[in-house]
Amino acid sequence: EIVMTQSPATLSVSPGETATLSCRASQSVSSKLAWYQQKPGQAPRLLIYGASTGAAGIPARFSGSGSGTEFTLTISSLQSEDFAVYYCQQYNSWPRTFGQGTKVEIK
Amino acid sequence: EVQLVESGGGLVKPGGSLRLSCAASGFTFSSYSMNWVRQAPGKGLEWVSSISGSADSSHDSDSVKGRFTISRDNAGYSLYLQAHSLRAEDTAVYYCARTYCSGGRCYEFFDSWGQGTLVTVSS
Repeated sequence: EIVMTQSPATLSVSPGETATLSCRASQSVSSKLAWYQQKPGQAPRLLIYGASTGAAGIPARFSGSGSGTEFTLTISSLQSEDFAVYYCQQYNSWPRTFGQGTKVEIK
Repeated sequence: EVQLVESGGGLVKPGGSLRLSCAASGFTFSSYSMNWVRQAPGKGLEWVSSISGSADSSHDSDSVKGRFTISRDNAGYSLYLQAHSLRAEDTAVYYCARTYCSGGRCYEFFDSWGQGTLVTVSS
């Protein structure tokens, strides 16, 4: 099983600033990595797939990068609606696995 | 508009059984693999099971293998999860999620989600 490790667990950022979230895979997942956003009481929402492709309707301030075992989600110019928990997920092999999440909170 | 609506959750005793359902609409159901993903209270996301569009293949996580069975009714646009021998650690919100498919290929990340149904396993 591929273990996905996200860091940091919590990120405190001021509105308008940039947030950088990391996700590391225990073995290569190529570019088969997705990012999701989840707000309290809501279902997750797909943000990024293929490590760097934005999902439909996702603002351009969300961007992804990386391949192999190291991945980054960057949120530029944070808006109030961006404060949430973010998960990465690999889909290179079974079982599909998620990271434990990074909470982005208001500083 | 894609809609996924889960039902069937509730309180069940340890060792009991439950059948979760997901009603799909707004897309050609049989063209998409479907999944169950769960989230224990205050915890992260855990993939549970996946089934192909034609139901000719499925995958389960080790944590539910042999206890849970995923199935689908393409004519009825429905996805199911039959859960047996439930344990306290199965307590979670269970989400129905659609696999992303494009150009005839599917990739097991999840582009649409239902709102979830809560399963509580407790005596």
